[in-house]
Amino acid sequence: SQQGEEDPQALSIQEGENATMNCSYKTSINNLQWYRQNSGRGLVHLILIRSNEREKHSGRLRVTLDTSKKSSSLLITASRAADTASYFCATVKWDDKIIFGKGTRLHILP
Amino acid sequence: NAGVTQTPKFQVLKTGQSMTLQCAQDMNHNSMYWYRQDPGMGLRLIYYSASEGTTDKGEVPNGYNVSRLNKREFSLRLESAAPSQTSVYFCANAERGNTGELFFGEGSRLTVL
Repeated sequence: SQQGEEDPQALSIQEGENATMNCSYKTSINNLQWYRQNSGRGLVHLILIRSNEREKHSGRLRVTLDTSKKSSSLLITASRAADTASYFCATVKWDDKIIFGKGTRLHILP
Repeated sequence: NAGVTQTPKFQVLKTGQSMTLQCAQDMNHNSMYWYRQDPGMGLRLIYYSASEGTTDKGEVPNGYNVSRLNKREFSLRLESAAPSQTSVYFCANAERGNTGELFFGEGSRLTVL
């Protein structure tokens, strides 16, 4: 079974709105990462948050981590058409095992 | 620099045939990974190698073998391909698996008839 589970599975919003995706996981982690994938290509790293961090920002991205609830969220502010993609969370365990969730498909409407 | 190179990019096999997917990185990273991606399933970890000389099973290792040939190369072998192994395979690497980001290859699309 996959460690991370994102929700929603799919999300459509108007350009300019904010998009929020959530990730839940099951076991202890070293860090949690978010990736983007365009049209079946290789994934591209967006942001990493360590287990002792609660919030992190990078440009229009904001990530939170709640280790007590074993959950994370990714917020994309002021969405653009180019943000249309699939987004995946990845949980990184202390033994270097990196497990991905099933992803959220984000569609930005013009 | 190529980063992560996967070969072949496309392959069609018949049930029972064998093949090896090759992955090479020029990033001098320690950890390497093989994933498969099926529609609606996200990426599932097949095998990984935290460092040269070590390999470990991931979520879905059955039907596959791997070899960490040296620091640069990590190959994935299908000994007797099955239709259930039809998928897109991604190789990835990280400087250190438990601390850094993954860098992905472009993927290898495998069809087993």
